[in-house]
Amino acid sequence: GENVEQHPSTLSVQEGDSAVIKCTYSDSASNYFPWYKQELGKRPQLIIDIRSNVGEKKDQRIAVTLNKTAKHFSLHITETQPEDSAVYFCAPGQAGTALIFGKGTTLSVSS
Amino acid sequence: EAGVTQFPSHSVIEKGQTVTLRCDPISGHDNLYWYRRVMGKEIKFLLHFVKESKQDESGMPNNRFLAERTGGTYSTLKVQPAELEDSGVYFCASSQEVGRAFFGQGTRLTVV
Repeated sequence: GENVEQHPSTLSVQEGDSAVIKCTYSDSASNYFPWYKQELGKRPQLIIDIRSNVGEKKDQRIAVTLNKTAKHFSLHITETQPEDSAVYFCAPGQAGTALIFGKGTTLSVSS
Repeated sequence: EAGVTQFPSHSVIEKGQTVTLRCDPISGHDNLYWYRRVMGKEIKFLLHFVKESKQDESGMPNNRFLAERTGGTYSTLKVQPAELEDSGVYFCASSQEVGRAFFGQGTRLTVV
């Protein structure tokens, strides 16, 4: 089965700084790479995803980069704001299987 | 379009009792997943339905947990009898295509 690791487990930045969270996975068959954001007391929400035929995707202040050879993908948040504070999860997967979540990264953005 | 909905939002039961959680996926989504988050930790996979069939139930912790998905629509997750360690937030998610799963608001279960 898939073995997923996220680093760091906690990340504290100042407002306006960039934040990067890395996710490594073990299953070379994985072809779908999403990132979820969970604010306190709320549901996990998909914020960005990428498929294996693409190396990078950007949506305003967030981006995801994929290195299939090394089996890792990263979430990049630029110009962080206090409302970016949340737990972020990666969940690599493939067709026909459930997403397996990493252990989460708690991001704190201080103003 | 209505999102994934879960009932109840909170449940407090005594050890040994039975609780049934319900999930209504987004209409047309064949894939339905149950996850659990305990003590603010990682989101643990429990079970995956494709329509009414159990595609993967490798995450179900033991035989006290029973999941069903009647007619491939809504799903229920029953815990019987509940134990203290079953406390946590149970999330349901659904997807139409590969990946891209949308989550419900969760059911917070407290076993006392």
